[in-house]
Amino acid sequence: NAGVTQTPKFQVLKTGQSMTLQCAQDMNHEYMSWYRQDPGMGLRLIHYSVGAGITDQGEVPNGYNVSRSTTEDFPLRLLSAAPSQTSVYFCASSPGQGIGNTEAFFGQGTRLTVV
Amino acid sequence: ILNVEQSPQSLHVQEGDSTNFTCSFPSSNFYALHWYRWETAKSPEALFVMTLNGDEKKKGRISATLNTKEGYSYLYIKGSQPEDSATYLCAFTNNAGNMLTFGGGTRLMVKP
Repeated sequence: NAGVTQTPKFQVLKTGQSMTLQCAQDMNHEYMSWYRQDPGMGLRLIHYSVGAGITDQGEVPNGYNVSRSTTEDFPLRLLSAAPSQTSVYFCASSPGQGIGNTEAFFGQGTRLTVV
Repeated sequence: ILNVEQSPQSLHVQEGDSTNFTCSFPSSNFYALHWYRWETAKSPEALFVMTLNGDEKKKGRISATLNTKEGYSYLYIKGSQPEDSATYLCAFTNNAGNMLTFGGGTRLMVKP
């Protein structure tokens, strides 16, 4: 079972470059989300989606865009990378249209460094 | 921004010790409380999702309790083993049900 797959696992970017972090799930989950994890701060929600064509902002959305054209994929775009976006990024999915009472399934993470 | 606090931040115990840690969260508009186990270099994995005041859940040597009226949950590990070494995260969602707010985690290290 693939579950939630994130690519790439590691990435180094120069300030101002753009890139897309990919996330795909094969569990037919409606809910998908992106988190960033910084030392001492736990996981913080960037954006989430409750189904194809629907996205919304989380706690720290600035500097990131998302789209959800299919149920399976939820890419995260950095349009102009900044050193403050150096972090570990996790994608997660959950059955149902919310994350309320169902567990989240996480990808393996993408470690991004912006120099 | 909802405030979810976990304590302690880190904990060192000897193999065989039992231990517990705390998650506190807003008691208003409660919907669910999640616990995740996160091993180094892996992704977080769900332990429990709890929704009812007074809920108690158990998985092997790990159990959790929930008090929604006062806004706290306890995670207990009985007879800690080195393989229990991980960061334990709790996460809260309110009745909008669309966003998980995580605490900072408790990092547990079990010495053989």
